[in-house]
Amino acid sequence: KAGVTQTPRYLIKTRGQQVTLSCSPISGHRSVSWYQQTPGQGLQFLFEYFSETQRNKGNFPGRFSGRQFSNSRSEMNVSTLELGDSALYLCASSWDKSYGYTFGSGTRLTVV
Amino acid sequence: QQPVQSPQAVILREGEDAVINCSSSKALYSVHWYRQKHGEAPVFLMILLKGGEQKGHDKISASFNEKKQQSSLYLTASQLSYSGTYFCGTESGGSNYKLTFGKGTLLTVNP
Repeated sequence: KAGVTQTPRYLIKTRGQQVTLSCSPISGHRSVSWYQQTPGQGLQFLFEYFSETQRNKGNFPGRFSGRQFSNSRSEMNVSTLELGDSALYLCASSWDKSYGYTFGSGTRLTVV
Repeated sequence: QQPVQSPQAVILREGEDAVINCSSSKALYSVHWYRQKHGEAPVFLMILLKGGEQKGHDKISASFNEKKQQSSLYLTASQLSYSGTYFCGTESGGSNYKLTFGKGTLLTVNP
């Protein structure tokens, strides 16, 4: 079966711009989480959605937002990009967290 | 608080064993273990739940000491394919839906 699909794979943006990243979970998975991965901070939780509702949010500024659609696809948006937002953004989906999360390959965002 | 993983890096020869530790200052509900190879997505290995049993498959197993809020990942008779960065992700509540990851342990298995 198809895995977690993230688009685009790579993005280069300029400071001050905004960006939208997309995640299509595994069919049947209703939970979608987003993580930011950087060499210095590692994997940091952004937010988690289930059935279009945000159930938890990490310690990121309000510039980071997300949403989930009725088909479980999710998007995250970062407004007013800063150089420090350069990172690998990973999406993970789950049918039930006791079975673990399946990660997508990520979107590599570079802010210049 | 981010869990602390040790060691930060370990180099093995094929066939040797390794233990990776994950320690938290908070009471834990569950501990997840993932492996990430360079340029790839993290891959789920196993989950240990509070009150649950030690888990394992093939030559990779893990334990969870609830009193000490520690988990250990055991890799026995390591294979070249075990190389990668291992992350523990901890959850402090059953309704948390948020994993807090350690900084990772880089495992290199050489022939």
